[in-house]
Amino acid sequence: AQSVTQPDIHITVSEGASLELRCNYSYGATPYLFWYVQSPGQGLQLLLKYFSGDTLVQGIKGFEAEFKRSQSSFNLRKPSVHWSDAAEYFCAVVLGGSQGNLIFGKGTKLSVKP
Amino acid sequence: GAVVSQHPSWVICKSGTSVKIECRSLDFQATTMFWYRQFPKQSLMLMATSNEGSKATYEQGVEKDKFLINHASLTLSTLTVTSAHPEDSSFYICSARDYQGGSSYNEQFFGPGTRLTVL
Repeated sequence: AQSVTQPDIHITVSEGASLELRCNYSYGATPYLFWYVQSPGQGLQLLLKYFSGDTLVQGIKGFEAEFKRSQSSFNLRKPSVHWSDAAEYFCAVVLGGSQGNLIFGKGTKLSVKP
Repeated sequence: GAVVSQHPSWVICKSGTSVKIECRSLDFQATTMFWYRQFPKQSLMLMATSNEGSKATYEQGVEKDKFLINHASLTLSTLTVTSAHPEDSSFYICSARDYQGGSSYNEQFFGPGTRLTVL
């Protein structure tokens, strides 16, 4: 079945450590790819997106993601995590062209240790 | 950036009553609004898509008579949960998009969500 998979439900990292959140998709064609962050009391915020072109995408708040077609992956990375990065992170795809609907993974909760 | 608000942020109601949730785009015109439902430790599930002035399009398995959606203006959409039951308790999130034509992707902007608890 077509899906967006985030294998890690919960990740804990120390402040200042590097971070990688995994996302895999299973669709025939390369969809549009997104990462969102959800903080308590706030709406989902778009961190970055990939449509085509350079496979390494820079986003806001120091995040980046790399699209790897061979692995059907779009992993999110940050070199040095800050305590304020603690939140829920969602990978999402859009199928069927630019006006398609967002399909979300189940999310990864990030906790940051002092 | 574009701002989407939701009201109320949380609501508690008795079983059998109806609850209305508002979603507003504050600084842009939303030609399309989306309603999602989020269960604990689960993904956001799209419930319906509404275009201003048109009937909403519901996803499979979503009861349109139970979840009434109205998108009467370019800045306001409402979701009414009718005859609510405890199993309707959830986190409801709206998003809004301004479709500007062409083939470019138009970003969705999300509201902060509404926590509904049905007793």
